[in-house]
Formats: sequence, structure tokens, C-alpha cells
Amino acid sequence: DIQMTQTPSSMPASLGERVTISCRASQGISNYLNWYQQKPDGTIKPLIYYTSNLQSGVPSRFSGSGSGTDYSLTISSLEPEDFAMYYCQQYDSSPWTFGGGTKLELK
Amino acid sequence: QVQLKETGPDLVQLTQTLSITCTVSGFSLTTYNVHWVRQPPGKGLEWMGAMWNGGGTDYNSAFKSRLSISRDTSKSQVFLKMNSLQTDDTAKYFCARQDLYYGSPFDYWGQGVMVTVSS
Repeated sequence: DIQMTQTPSSMPASLGERVTISCRASQGISNYLNWYQQKPDGTIKPLIYYTSNLQSGVPSRFSGSGSGTDYSLTISSLEPEDFAMYYCQQYDSSPWTFGGGTKLELK
Repeated sequence: QVQLKETGPDLVQLTQTLSITCTVSGFSLTTYNVHWVRQPPGKGLEWMGAMWNGGGTDYNSAFKSRLSISRDTSKSQVFLKMNSLQTDDTAKYFCARQDLYYGSPFDYWGQGVMVTVSS
């Protein structure tokens, strides 16, 4: 199985700050990487698909990049609603695996 | 509008079988895939398996032969059945929709059902 390692596991940040979350795969995943946001109430929604494509309705302050084994999610300027959990997910091979998550917290 | 809703028991006894139903609306099971994902309390997401639009299935080998996914397209329902439950199967269980193009994310999720395995 492909292991997905997300860093950091938690990140204190301020409103308006630019933040980057990293995700490393245990082997190359050919850009087959999605990002999700989970709110404190448990609601999950997709943010980015195929490494860098913005899901419909997601604000443009979210962006994704990467290749090979290393990927990242960047939020250019934090808004109050962005404080949540973030997960990467690979779909290069089954079983599709998620990273351990990053908790974005208000500093 | 698109909706997915999981229904199932709150509590299951150790070694017993879990059955959860995902009832969907706003789309057809023959034109979208449906996945099952679970999340133990305070932990991350784990992909369990999928029901493909054509009726085939895929399973996470971590669940070996314990897991079964099926569907009833006439009722717009997808079923998860898992036997031999252990305490570490305590989790919130989600179903999620996926479009057919490769790489499509899980674009709509149910609210999940929290299942506790009790001894």
C-alpha cells in the first residue's frame, strides 16, 4: 500500500497568513493526488483534484502543486472559515490512501 | 440536489456484523461511483471500498474478507456489510460520491454514521 505522510500534523496560523501543507507519498503517484477539507462539524468537501485543479466552488486562495512523491496545498491568505482539518489522498493505486491530516488552528 | 445519507446502528456487539445503508438522491448509481470511508474518533480517514457505476466492487485488502459492498439501484441504495467486528472498528462511516472520470475526487459526502463496537 502507498503510505501518505502529511506535515505538519497541526499548524497554528493567523488570519491573512499564507500557509502550506505538505504530503509525501511512499512511492511516485503520478500526480494522482486530491485534497479535502473537514470542518469541525465533520463535513468533508474536496478542494483540489489531480494535484492542482481547483474543485468547482472552491475559492481561488486554495492551490495545489507537486509531482512524483511530493505534493503541497497552499492557502494564500487565511480566512476564518479555513481553520479546519486537511487531508491528502492518493488514487494512483488501490487501496486509495489518505494522509494523516493537518489541523489548521487559529494562533 | 445531490444528497447521500447513511443509516445504521449506533452500537454493535463485539464479533457481530455491521450493516449500513447509504441512500442517495439527486443522481443515479449507474452514472456515479460510491465509496465507503471511515474515521475512528480523533483519527484520520480510511478508504474501505467502492461500488463502481457498473456494479463491480473494489475493497481495501486491510479488511480482508470481512467487508462486502452491494447495491439496489431501484432504491438508490448502497450497502456496507462488515463482519467480525472488533473494538477498533469503532468509527464514523461515510459514503461518498465520485464522478466517472479517472481522478475525480469524492465530491459529495454523507454526514456519516457513528458506530460503536461494544463488548
